[in-house]
Amino acid sequence: ETGVTQTPRHLVMGMTNKKSLKCEQHLGHNAMYWYKQSAKKPLELMFVYNFKEQTENNSVPSRFSPECPNSSHLFLHLHTLQPEDSALYLCASSQSAGGADTQYFGPGTRLTVL
Amino acid sequence: AQSVTQLDSQVPVFEEAPVELRCNYSSSVSVYLFWYVQYPNQGLQLLLKYLSGSTLVESINGFEAEFNKSQTSFHLRKPSVHISDTAEYFCAVTGLTGGGNKLTFGTGTQLKVEL
Repeated sequence: ETGVTQTPRHLVMGMTNKKSLKCEQHLGHNAMYWYKQSAKKPLELMFVYNFKEQTENNSVPSRFSPECPNSSHLFLHLHTLQPEDSALYLCASSQSAGGADTQYFGPGTRLTVL
Repeated sequence: AQSVTQLDSQVPVFEEAPVELRCNYSSSVSVYLFWYVQYPNQGLQLLLKYLSGSTLVESINGFEAEFNKSQTSFHLRKPSVHISDTAEYFCAVTGLTGGGNKLTFGTGTQLKVEL
């Protein structure tokens, strides 16, 4: 049990659909992250939020839209995705955005774009 | 900017044999180093990390890693593996530049422990 939950665990969507991924952390952390994990590629950091403010956008296409209403919840809104966006999307949290803090990961959402 | 190289994509090993998973990094600044493990259908879990002090760090389940600054390496070792160690292992680095907790990951090493 990592204290970070993600829903749904699996999602299949068409290229014209709009869907959202949800992440919730129960650890009292102040920083939250979205990562993309594709086969045979390193994890790619997408977004960082610290105290609900976005501090990092790693050149992510605008068809991915994050939202952080509070320090415990993080959403990733998806629209008009491409097949190459199919991947495992991981959420993580840490006590702060400092470099020494351990990041705790959720189980991920397996996204398939048809 | 930092980069991480994990030279082996897959490492098969028999149960109770020793194993070493290699990790090399590149950075122009001082770094913190991490090993994460990912079991099937799960997210990543921290295995161990090096921040400062002793260059040898250990995990609670028998893994250890040694920070070697001159060789820019942080190899992961275990003297005797179990079937339950079968998983994917990721090395990661973050630079001490005040740029926040931005981890750079390697491509991962799949450890397969066989009977």
